[in-house]
Amino acid sequence: GENVEQHPSTLSVQEGDSAVIKCTYSDSASNYFPWYKQELGKRPQLIIDIRSNVGEKKDQRIAVTLNKTAKHFSLHITETQPEDSAVYFCAARYNAGNMLTFGGGTRLMVKP
Amino acid sequence: DAGITQSPRHKVTETGTPVTLRCHQTENHRYMYWYRQDPGHGLRLIHYSYGVKDTDKGEVSDGYSVSRSKTEDFLLTLESATSSQTSVYFCAISDTTGQETQYFGPGTRLLVL
Repeated sequence: GENVEQHPSTLSVQEGDSAVIKCTYSDSASNYFPWYKQELGKRPQLIIDIRSNVGEKKDQRIAVTLNKTAKHFSLHITETQPEDSAVYFCAARYNAGNMLTFGGGTRLMVKP
Repeated sequence: DAGITQSPRHKVTETGTPVTLRCHQTENHRYMYWYRQDPGHGLRLIHYSYGVKDTDKGEVSDGYSVSRSKTEDFLLTLESATSSQTSVYFCAISDTTGQETQYFGPGTRLLVL
């Protein structure tokens, strides 16, 4: 099956700085890579996703890049704000059953 | 939020007792999933369903069973709860019309004493 590793496990940045979270996956057949944000006590919510036929996708202050050759993808958050503080999860879809394998999560703390 | 509810939202039970968690959706989505979330492990798939009466195992299925008799309901059963099954359980749904996004329910916090 698929294996997804996520780094770092915790990340602290100053408000206004950028944050980058990286994930690697093992199955070269994976073709869909979503990112979820989970606030304390809440459900995970999709913030951005990318498919394997695209190298980069942006949505306002967040962007995701995908390197299929190296089998890694990254989440970039620019101009961070305190409300960006949360746990972020990456995931990879590895077969036609639409099953996702999740990384272990990154706790992002944005200091005002 | 997608039309997904979970019940109960919180439950405390004793070791050895059976427990059933319910996931209900109003989106008529084909796929439904059960995950557990534990510190340091992210979200791990327990079981999933790809249609009524069609289910399969996920990464951490031991000790769990599921049933789906209607499109809108997916039940997760712990036949004999153990302390290692203390966790937060999330249900998720997705469709197959080219939109692979999984939407999560609000979660059920289960404590097994």
